Amino acid sequence: GAVVSQHPSRVICKSGTSVKIECRSLDFQATTMFWYRQFPKQSLMLMATSNEGSKATYEQGVEKDKFLINHASLTLSTLTVTSAHPEDSSFYICSASVSRGGFYGYTFGSGTRLTVV
Amino acid sequence: AQRVTQPEKLLSVFKGAPVELKCNYSYSGSPELFWYVQYSRQRLQLLLRHISRESIKGFTADLNKGETSFHLKKPFAQEEDSAMYYCALKGGATNKLIFGTGTLLAVQP
Repeated sequence: GAVVSQHPSRVICKSGTSVKIECRSLDFQATTMFWYRQFPKQSLMLMATSNEGSKATYEQGVEKDKFLINHASLTLSTLTVTSAHPEDSSFYICSASVSRGGFYGYTFGSGTRLTVV
Repeated sequence: AQRVTQPEKLLSVFKGAPVELKCNYSYSGSPELFWYVQYSRQRLQLLLRHISRESIKGFTADLNKGETSFHLKKPFAQEEDSAMYYCALKGGATNKLIFGTGTLLAVQP
């Protein structure tokens, strides 16, 4: 249980266009979701925390106008990379906190490889 | 500030040898520590939570508050243990999970 589905797994877009990445909790309700960015051979860097029905909380240095996060339901959070540039090329991963009568842990999506050309 | 340090980028051992993946953390309150594993071409999976004190796939990890460490250990490595291992910290009331830089474990036959 506690599966998060992330789509697309891979996307190539032209510079200046926008790309939307979806993260769905399949068998549980995800009040809180997280978006990470992972550079090659580096760790996961938290970009923002997404709370259902409210504005996302962005980490320092992350441009909220470039990385738009929407968490309109308990099972779906989206990350839109607006006006993408080659430097936005990266691996983006979503995650959701899982509760089992209290906080238990986190489950992760399979990630999205974004390439901006 | 919350910080997780994994000093080794790569750890190479032979099958059957003991394994210790180091993790140190920095946090002023009571942390919750996790180990996550990422096998090739797969998503991150939870391996261990310190509060459950469980053993998964032969791995154990003990939280040492005095040394601020949460090292991952296994007495006899298997080839299928080859993967990327991440130590992570959840601090107090916040739900944020902070990751270390990861250690690639390579178990040689």
